[in-house]
Amino acid sequence: KAGVTQTPRYLIKTRGQQVTLSCSPISGHRSVSWYQQTPGQGLQFLFEYFSETQRNKGNFPGRFSGRQFSNSRSEMNVSTLELGDSALYLCASSSGQTNTEAFFGQGTRLTVV
Amino acid sequence: LAKTTQPISMDSYEGQEVNITCSHNNIATNDYITWYQQFPSQGPRFIIQGYKTKVTNEVASLFIPADRKSSTLSLPRVSLSDTAVYYCLVANYGGATNKLIFGTGTLLAVQP
Repeated sequence: KAGVTQTPRYLIKTRGQQVTLSCSPISGHRSVSWYQQTPGQGLQFLFEYFSETQRNKGNFPGRFSGRQFSNSRSEMNVSTLELGDSALYLCASSSGQTNTEAFFGQGTRLTVV
Repeated sequence: LAKTTQPISMDSYEGQEVNITCSHNNIATNDYITWYQQFPSQGPRFIIQGYKTKVTNEVASLFIPADRKSSTLSLPRVSLSDTAVYYCLVANYGGATNKLIFGTGTLLAVQP
């Protein structure tokens, strides 16, 4: 079956702009989580959505937000971009049941200039 | 969530068995141990998960002692393509969350 699809793969934005990243989970998966990966901070959890509801959130400012649609597809938005937001943004999907593995997409490489 | 400690890096040669140990002294009763592999500019990939004793699949084995305060990922006969970062995670999936806390990981470099 198809894996997790993230679009776009690469993105260049200017400081102060906003950006929306998209994630299509594996068919049948209801949980989508987002992560930010930078050389300095490593892989950090942003938030998780399950059945259109945010059920967990990491320690990121309010400029980072997300949502999930009824088909489980998810988007994350970053407003008022800062240089430090340059990172690889990863989406992971899982069935949402106990002790199941997460499947990650290829990520979106965001560069803020 | 329990914090994990693992070596920053390891070197090996093709054909050797590699064992990466992870320490998780504060693991809770409901926590599971999971290992992920990540290649540059790609998302992490699930390798193996276990609760206690030994788990084996087609790519790796996971050894967990009785006290569960550590675990060892064993990769048999590594090849150049196994060069990657390996993350050990401990998480309680019993609750309504799939939040994964990644540590710094172990960079495994396999030489010819």
